[in-house]
This record gives sequence, C-alpha cells and structure tokens, in this order.
Amino acid sequence: AQSVTQLGSHVSVSEGALVLLRCNYSSSVPPYLFWYVQYPNQGLQLLLKYTTGATLVKGINGFEAEFKKSETSFHLTKPSAHMSDAAEYFCAVSVDTNAGKSTFGDGTTLTVKP
Amino acid sequence: EPEVTQTPSHQVTQMGQEVILRCVPISNHLYFYWYRQILGQKVEFLVSFYNNEISEKSEIFDDQFSVERPDGSNFTLKIRSTKLEDSAMYFCASSERTGVNEKLFFGSGTQLSVL
Repeated sequence: AQSVTQLGSHVSVSEGALVLLRCNYSSSVPPYLFWYVQYPNQGLQLLLKYTTGATLVKGINGFEAEFKKSETSFHLTKPSAHMSDAAEYFCAVSVDTNAGKSTFGDGTTLTVKP
Repeated sequence: EPEVTQTPSHQVTQMGQEVILRCVPISNHLYFYWYRQILGQKVEFLVSFYNNEISEKSEIFDDQFSVERPDGSNFTLKIRSTKLEDSAMYFCASSERTGVNEKLFFGSGTQLSVL
C-alpha cells in the first residue's frame, strides 16, 4: 500500500519569498505523484504530476516539483510567493494507473503575508 | 474551463436520515468519483464509477453508501442511514478517460453535517 506524508500542516511565507511544501511518499512500486491545490470554497485542482521521465516537473502558476527517488520525496516549490497562492495544497500518490484512486496527504495550508 | 457542479454546498441532516449528494460531471466525461474529507483529515477515495457500474471502491464505501447515475447528467452519492462520523466534505470528480495522465476535475464539494 502507498502513503503520503506532508510535513507541516501550516506554512507561512512573505510575499515574494520562496515557497517550499514538503511531501514524502511510501510505495513498494514506482509511484505516480501529484500536487493539488484547493482554494477556499472550491474543488481540488491539479497543479502538476509526475508519471515517468523528467524528474523535475513544472505545473501551473509557476509551481514545480522534483521527484527524488532516493529521498522518496516530491516537494513543491515556487521561487516567489504571490498573495493569490494562499490555499491548501495536497500531495497525492498512486500506484494504480487510475489517478482517481490516489492516496492523499493531510494537506498543507499556505499563508502568504504581505 | 468546464466545471463539475455539486449541490447542495451545505447539507445538514439528523442521524439516521438518508441523504443524497448530487453532482453534475462534465458532459463528455465517462469516469466519475466520490471522495470525502473529514475535517482536519486527508481526502479519502470512496468509489469510482464507469459504464453505469462501480469500478472500484474503498473500505469506507460500505453497504450504507450507494452511487447512481440516474440520468445522463447527474451522479449521486446516497448515504442510507447517516451516522455522526459521516460528517465530512464530499467531493465529486470526473475525467474523460482513465489513467495517470488523465486530468481529474473536482467539484467544490458538499459539506455534510450529521447532528
């Protein structure tokens, strides 16, 4: 079975600062990894995903994540935070070709201070 | 961008009552999903649905849960006899195809409160 751990349920950064949201996974087979964002009163929206190939993946809104097999990590970064990035972020892992069966992390709430 | 629509946004019910949560997936999508998120906990997969039948379900999806696509547009989740622990945010999602490269579109959720 697979699992996901998101370190830090709340992260606060200043506008313009680096955003780093941590995600570690556990999987007995090569995983598929996802980051989702949830803005207030909205559904989950896919930010980016890693399936195969290049380990550095770029997503929407300037976010990117790097799959590091040796560290079993898939941390999400953005060089410069914007106020509109304030949201909840979920890391998810799937070992099934059905992305709908992903296992989600607990989520990290990102606060961006002016 | 097309949207998945869920109604109602908030549902309050008494313990033991039946509730039906409604979802309108994107019109050309064929795969449908329900998830729940108990307050402060992670999003959990409940069930996937394709070709008018359940394709997969989790341990959470026991006999008190059922899903249905009663017509060409709606996708519903029914909880037969609600319990306090069913209080959660329920998300519907849909996709055009299945597979890891397929994008899931999520609705904004229905907050269910069981009193």
